Amino acid sequence: DTGVSQDPRHKITKRGQNVTFRCDPISEHNRLYWYRQTLGQGPEFLTYFQNEAQLEKSRLLSDRFSAERPKGSFSTLEIQRTEQGDSAMYLCASSFGESGNTIYFGEGSWLTVV
Amino acid sequence: GNSVTQMEGPVTLSEEAFLTINCTYTATGYPSLFWYVQYPGEGLQLLLKATKADDKGSNKGFEATYRKETTSFHLEKGSVQVSDSAVYFCALSSGSARQLTFGSGTQLTVLP
Repeated sequence: DTGVSQDPRHKITKRGQNVTFRCDPISEHNRLYWYRQTLGQGPEFLTYFQNEAQLEKSRLLSDRFSAERPKGSFSTLEIQRTEQGDSAMYLCASSFGESGNTIYFGEGSWLTVV
Repeated sequence: GNSVTQMEGPVTLSEEAFLTINCTYTATGYPSLFWYVQYPGEGLQLLLKATKADDKGSNKGFEATYRKETTSFHLEKGSVQVSDSAVYFCALSSGSARQLTFGSGTQLTVLP
């Protein structure tokens, strides 16, 4: 069990560029979550998958944000046409079972938009 | 909707002092309650949890009791160490998605 893995850990991009983050959950976990955390705040829920199905995406911040989990294993979060306000840490988390149980977090991907 | 309110920080204590970080919540249904900790440069780690009223979660000397009557889940430790310096987040989960709703976090600094 290697835990939840996220890549890249840090990304600096110019405003207007697209960025993509990858998350590899704990291997037997069927639920995968994306959160965003800004400085001085708690994580904010964005979206989640159960296996390959995206069951909640209404909290994605705008239509520039999209997430996929094509084979029910790893997931990607893409931000198109980045803005300075997108600068934050993007956290991935996973859990097992229908009830969710304990949610385990990765170390996050820091995004800086300049 | 669901919400979590945490005691504002930062909190600075001397080693071996008693710690309390207050947390209250608003939720529909019967939420599970959690404390997560974030050490400098690291991701969130689950510290302890409680899934029903009157349950006590405990880990590494930290404790919190799920109080439904006061909608609270205060974190306590009898004797803090320098290594406990971190940001502590109270959170709840409820509903079919079980996603977490977090408080804003409390920065704890323990001085030797």
